Amino acid sequence: DAGVIQSPRHEVTEMGQEVTLRCKPISGHDYLFWYRQTMMRGLELLIYFNNNVPIDDSGMPEDRFSAKMPNASFSTLKIQPSEPRDSAVYFCASSHSQGAKDQPQHFGDGTRLSIL
Amino acid sequence: AQKVTQAQTEISVVEKEDVTLDCVYETRDTTYYLFWYKQPPSGELVFLIRRNSFDEQNEISGRYSWNFQKSTSSFNFTITASQVVDSAVYFCALSEGITGGGNKLTFGTGTQLKVEL
Repeated sequence: DAGVIQSPRHEVTEMGQEVTLRCKPISGHDYLFWYRQTMMRGLELLIYFNNNVPIDDSGMPEDRFSAKMPNASFSTLKIQPSEPRDSAVYFCASSHSQGAKDQPQHFGDGTRLSIL
Repeated sequence: AQKVTQAQTEISVVEKEDVTLDCVYETRDTTYYLFWYKQPPSGELVFLIRRNSFDEQNEISGRYSWNFQKSTSSFNFTITASQVVDSAVYFCALSEGITGGGNKLTFGTGTQLKVEL
């Protein structure tokens, strides 16, 4: 079975540019999560969706960040304009709600973002 | 608020040694879930195990074992006869159950395990 698929794996861009990260969750999973990992702050939850609807975006650092989930198989995280401090590894994860509540989140391989 | 503490920043062992990674958590929820994830040098996050707050039965899976003690709010992870391939960052995570299913995870800061020959 295919896992969570993220693209691109690596992104290097200049400050001020728009960055779009993409995620395809595992088929049948109705929860999708976006995380950011940095040395300073560790793994932080940015936003999560349930059935394509954003439920909690309290972790989104500022208005430059936005996320969408137009359908059950695709989500984007956009940064506009990007800044050097946005450099991090961004992970997408998905899980399903059927059955017990202890469903694990399955993570993609991450996107390593560098803003110059 | 939920909190996960992994006091060990880095552990180095020699291959074949046993190693225990500590995890202490704080939560006011009566129902909660604990997880361990592994992040090898390649960077991906791999799910290892989950436990719910009602299941204190410890588990052994091959060289891995887990010790969940609700009385001390600890969920420790032991690797027996460690191997070089076990070198990774290990994260403990606590979930806040979301109504209707799914979990919002709070991660610890991770423990870097280095297994040397």
